[in-house]
Amino acid sequence: ELKVEQNPLFLSMQEGKNYTIYCNYSTTSDRLYWYRQDPGKSLESLFVLLSNGAVKQEGRLMASLDTKARLSTLHITAAVHDLSATYFCAVDRRQGGSEKLVFGKGTKLTVNP
Amino acid sequence: KAGVTQTPRYLIKTRGQQVTLSCSPISGHRSVSWYQQTPGQGLQFLFEYFSETQRNKGNFPGRFSGRQFSNSRSEMNVSTLELGDSALYLCASSLAVREIFPYEQYFGPGTRLTVT
Repeated sequence: ELKVEQNPLFLSMQEGKNYTIYCNYSTTSDRLYWYRQDPGKSLESLFVLLSNGAVKQEGRLMASLDTKARLSTLHITAAVHDLSATYFCAVDRRQGGSEKLVFGKGTKLTVNP
Repeated sequence: KAGVTQTPRYLIKTRGQQVTLSCSPISGHRSVSWYQQTPGQGLQFLFEYFSETQRNKGNFPGRFSGRQFSNSRSEMNVSTLELGDSALYLCASSLAVREIFPYEQYFGPGTRLTVT
């Protein structure tokens, strides 16, 4: 059974600081997704990582994927308050032509002034 | 391009009742997936429909069911509601053309179901 673990689950940081969220998964998969969720809102797609060594950056967020280590990281650079949200990683699990996403528990990020 | 829409956005039901939630995917998307989000269990996959056929199902009891129509719109139904069914139900649509595009799922705003 595919398991996805994120850590930390809660992260409180000051504006201007850097930090990394980690996402480990238990079985082989070739696609990893990062989503952002604001309170009471739906999931917003941030990154889709398709292959080993993939790195994508958008603003202050950078995501990378190491399929051999089954590890993805979401790095936050010089955090600002607007980045406060819950971040989920998800791995796809292909079964019989269908695919489903298996999510981590999420990392609740709070950026303090 | 319009996004994924879900109706209703909020719903309050009583234990034992049944409920139907609706999802309209992005135009051209043929795959619709449903997820349940609760504080305790997080985001869990319910089922996926493609061309009116259920292709995949998560570990949920038979009280949870769904269907997809020829226009790709999907409904999910929960019968005999229990308190634990209170959750945010998210629908996601995708092109489901893995070989050409990344299989990216676009999520709707969700339906917040409260069971009392």
